[in-house]
Amino acid sequence: QKEVEQNSGPLSVPEGAIASLNCTYSDRVSQSFFWYRQYSGKSPELIMSIYSNGDKEDGRFTAQLNKASQYVSLLIRDSQPSDSATYLCAVTKEDSWGKFQFGAGTQVVVTP
Amino acid sequence: DAGVTQSPTHLIKTRGQHVTLRCSPISGHKSVSWYQQVLGQGPQFIFQYYEKEERGRGNFPDRFSARQFPNYSSELNVNALLLGDSALYLCASSDGTVSPEAFFGQGTRLTVV
Repeated sequence: QKEVEQNSGPLSVPEGAIASLNCTYSDRVSQSFFWYRQYSGKSPELIMSIYSNGDKEDGRFTAQLNKASQYVSLLIRDSQPSDSATYLCAVTKEDSWGKFQFGAGTQVVVTP
Repeated sequence: DAGVTQSPTHLIKTRGQHVTLRCSPISGHKSVSWYQQVLGQGPQFIFQYYEKEERGRGNFPDRFSARQFPNYSSELNVNALLLGDSALYLCASSDGTVSPEAFFGQGTRLTVV
């Protein structure tokens, strides 16, 4: 079992709709959770971080964390063509800051 | 304010050669981590350095080594290159103590032929 799992996609989303991305992790001691966006041929860009159970909103992005279910998600509201990218879920433990476990990423394609 | 800078951006090497990749973290950040990303996969952790000390090492062979300098910049060295070392090498910068957030440089695309 992989430590961090994501749906590989591609996830096709009509422009203006909500994109929903899921991530599960296996290590219960994981403490910090991140979503990175990666455009083709570019490096990952941090878009959200979440540390406690519940929702965290930043603009059109909402991250949701459920530690009991070992599940973290990302919602992208009002999806735009510029949101077309691969979204990487990353987790780290409190005593291992800087050592991220990444999922393989979910490719999102926003269609006009 | 400069972000994370990596050099070179692209590199082509021959099997068996050695390569050195460089990274300068965000000003004020004392931690640098290195990752390898092959096509279609998420980044894989190679090393983390904080205050010039190795804090973690991933599951990579001894051909991979790294170090951090007093100015917190870092080098990743790979000896005896294999075709399978072809990948995007990413450097991540973080402060190391206050926040677990990390920010990536633009990466070095290494092609081994």
